Amino acid sequence: QKEVEQNSGPLSVPEGAIASLNCTYSDRGSQSFFWYRQYSGKSPELIMFIYSNGDKEDGRFTAQLNKASQYVSLLIRDSQPSDSATYLCVPRGNQFYFGTGTSLTVIP
Amino acid sequence: DGGITQSPKYLFRKEGQNVTLSCEQNLNHDAMYWYRQDPGQGLRLIYYSQIVNDFQKGDIAEGYSVSREKKESFPLTVTSAQKNPTAFYLCASREGQLYGYTFGSGTRLTVV
Repeated sequence: QKEVEQNSGPLSVPEGAIASLNCTYSDRGSQSFFWYRQYSGKSPELIMFIYSNGDKEDGRFTAQLNKASQYVSLLIRDSQPSDSATYLCVPRGNQFYFGTGTSLTVIP
Repeated sequence: DGGITQSPKYLFRKEGQNVTLSCEQNLNHDAMYWYRQDPGQGLRLIYYSQIVNDFQKGDIAEGYSVSREKKESFPLTVTSAQKNPTAFYLCASREGQLYGYTFGSGTRLTVV
């Protein structure tokens, strides 16, 4: 079983909507997570880090961590076409593993 | 500004040829990494180094070699033993095991 499961998508949302990207994880020892964004043909970029239960907000982005249910989410409010990319959820303790992520397309 | 520089951006390799991909960082990070990405796939770890003059194999090290003679530099050589080297190669560094990665802009290698 993979340590982290993400819906590979593609996920499509209209411009201005909320995009919700979700990960579930199997290792109860995972305490914190990174979110990376990768535009097509480009290298990944670190955009969020969450280490405690609850929400962490940064502009239009909100990361959520629920340790009891073992899921982590990234919400993108007021989605823009420039948010179209693949988003990767990576556990802090095992950053050697990068899954295929979730592909998001924001439709103008 | 600090960052990671990979060169060249595009590289073409002939059959049986060794090629070297450059990776330089001025972030003063101890740890450096090489990943390979194939179309539609996730990143796969080739080699990593946590300190100068020391490096470890990742999941797909066969056909590759590295050196770490300086903190700032971590070049990757793709040898002729790597039978399917066409891919996007990413170099990364981080401050420590609990920190996020900073990636270079990548080198796209094609066999001709």
